[in-house]
Amino acid sequence: EPEVTQTPSHQVTQMGQEVILRCVPISNHLYFYWYRQILGQKVEFLVSFYNNEISEKSEIFDDQFSVERPDGSNFTLKIRSTKLEDSAMYFCASSDLAGPYFGPGTRLTVT
Amino acid sequence: AQTVTQSQPEMSVQEAETVTLSCTYDTSENNYYLFWYKQPPSRQMILVIRQEAYKQQNATENRFSVNFQKAAKSFSLKISDSQLGDTAMYFCAFMKEYSGYALNFGKGTSLLVTP
Repeated sequence: EPEVTQTPSHQVTQMGQEVILRCVPISNHLYFYWYRQILGQKVEFLVSFYNNEISEKSEIFDDQFSVERPDGSNFTLKIRSTKLEDSAMYFCASSDLAGPYFGPGTRLTVT
Repeated sequence: AQTVTQSQPEMSVQEAETVTLSCTYDTSENNYYLFWYKQPPSRQMILVIRQEAYKQQNATENRFSVNFQKAAKSFSLKISDSQLGDTAMYFCAFMKEYSGYALNFGKGTSLLVTP
């Protein structure tokens, strides 16, 4: 069964560094998303992406964040100049007319 | 903005019994979608069931079913014949219209299934 994959599963970075989180959505899906979940809290929407552009973004998704679909399969989230409060689980998701289906997540730890 | 409320932070049920998790939401939209996601200790988010607001029939997926009351803005999840593997956080989520829009999640209900 097709699934969303994410790499790496765990990323540790120092405050101020840039990180890129990678996702491979389900192949025939057209809508892609990034969400995050701070430990013990609810899942929060960051951004949705369709037809090579952002379709919706939350207040969390400020200039520190960017998304890109560099080729036909990958979907990336870049966080510039990471802060301690960026430590969270980051989930990629994709959807067609069902779902969205989530990937297993990347646990980001900012030290 | 749509809000999703899960009023039961924690619940427990014995194996083979039935449990119902509640969810209410607030929206002015007429067409929308509702979801239940399961998050086991691995933290993977697993889609359990979805409901389109325009459908009057309640969705069912094996042991999981929903009671969708559009006028009351209520969307509860019933788990029948509970299994130990059902132990997880369960999140209710709302999406306006369809695809490309944000999922708004509730705070979750932690379900423990005991032997």
